[in-house]
Amino acid sequence: QVQLQESGPGLVKPSETLSLTCTVSGGSINNSYWSWIRQPPGKGLEWIGYVFYTGSTNYNPSLKSRVTISLDTSKNQFSLKLNSVTTADTAVYYCAKMRGGSVNWFDPWGQGILVPVSS
Amino acid sequence: DIQMTQSPSSLSASVGDRVTITCRASQSISTYLNWYQQIPGKAPNLLIYGALSLQSGVPSRFSGGGSGTDFTLTISSVQPEDFATYYCQQSYSTPFTFGGGTKVEI
Repeated sequence: QVQLQESGPGLVKPSETLSLTCTVSGGSINNSYWSWIRQPPGKGLEWIGYVFYTGSTNYNPSLKSRVTISLDTSKNQFSLKLNSVTTADTAVYYCAKMRGGSVNWFDPWGQGILVPVSS
Repeated sequence: DIQMTQSPSSLSASVGDRVTITCRASQSISTYLNWYQQIPGKAPNLLIYGALSLQSGVPSRFSGGGSGTDFTLTISSVQPEDFATYYCQQSYSTPFTFGGGTKVEI
């Protein structure tokens, strides 16, 4: 059973870069799509983007200018970088496996990591 | 972007009630619609994919319906563990988008 676990700093300052890593266990990162989704406290879900195991990516246009999602197949990990953050980027960040192809869905998800943006 | 609108935003139910949540897309998305359950403090969990298909391990009291722009999630007999927030999500086109959520309360 594939499991995902997010890791990263617990606090980021405004204007700096948010960097998170998702470690995949119980399965290979190859031959799959991997995604990041976030949820501001008390609010709904926002899809950030995905990376395919080949390295190809697709980002939400609302964040595209600030986002990079990449993967490290040797470590079975993928990562998120979001630069020039503001307090509006404060959220729980989830990594998830995305079922790709003609029909897509997110399953399973990591437990999530809260990243406050504050000076 | 495709906008997803859920109704109601919250509802009160008793154990054993039949509950239906509605999700409407701003354009036709065929059956490219998924449903998730989120318990407070936890990650969302996939319930229904492709509008109709029950994810493995999900109780059969959950069912999905609809196509085009209008979709439903039905819980045939609400159980105590079903009190949570439910989200729809379209996978017809990127950016993938979610509904605003429906909180099911006791």
